[in-house]
Amino acid sequence: EVQLVESGGGLVQSGGSLRLSCVASGFSFSGYWMSWVRQAPGKGLEWVANIKEDGSEQYYADSVKGRFTISRDNADNSLYLQMNSLRAEDAAMYFCARDVGSVVTPFDYWGQGTLVNVSS
Amino acid sequence: DIRVTQSPSTLSASVGDRVTFTCRASQHIGNWLAWYQQKPGKAPNILISKASTLESGVPSRFNGSGYGTEFTLTISSLQPDDFATYYCQQYYSYSRMFGQGTKVEIK
Repeated sequence: EVQLVESGGGLVQSGGSLRLSCVASGFSFSGYWMSWVRQAPGKGLEWVANIKEDGSEQYYADSVKGRFTISRDNADNSLYLQMNSLRAEDAAMYFCARDVGSVVTPFDYWGQGTLVNVSS
Repeated sequence: DIRVTQSPSTLSASVGDRVTFTCRASQHIGNWLAWYQQKPGKAPNILISKASTLESGVPSRFNGSGYGTEFTLTISSLQPDDFATYYCQQYYSYSRMFGQGTKVEIK
């Protein structure tokens, strides 16, 4: 059974940092791109970043470019999102999702999300 | 970045209605478009990939079509379980942009 479990969310002050983690199981993690998606309260889905299977390529939404860094550790089946210089508008539920890979179907599995709150 | 725009933002309908949503891409994306359903407090669930491929377990009343820049999702006969928010997403480019969503409400 495919599972994605996020952690690391919490309350942080504006300008602060937070590192989110996502542990994957039930599939060949190293064979898939992985993405982070966020959703502010009452708002729509916003793709944040993704990373290639071997970690050699990363792409970011303009809203987080230069502040967030996506990374992965295939030995530990783990995905990370380092968030720096956090702003009020970064407050959201953050989901990790399996992107394309040997199965060319995007975002077919999602975690339950981890909540990030940013206080001013 | 390739943007995707959904319409309408809200749709009021009744059980049994046929409903159609539209998604427009800012440039040609072939058939690299997916549709998701999201219910409150839950992660999204993929319904359709490659514009028209119904994912496993998704009822046949859901139908996706389109190519290039114009895409539609149709629910042939709305069921109580279908009241939710629907998102399209392009995955032609590495930046996997979502549309703004269409919320289906009970009329």
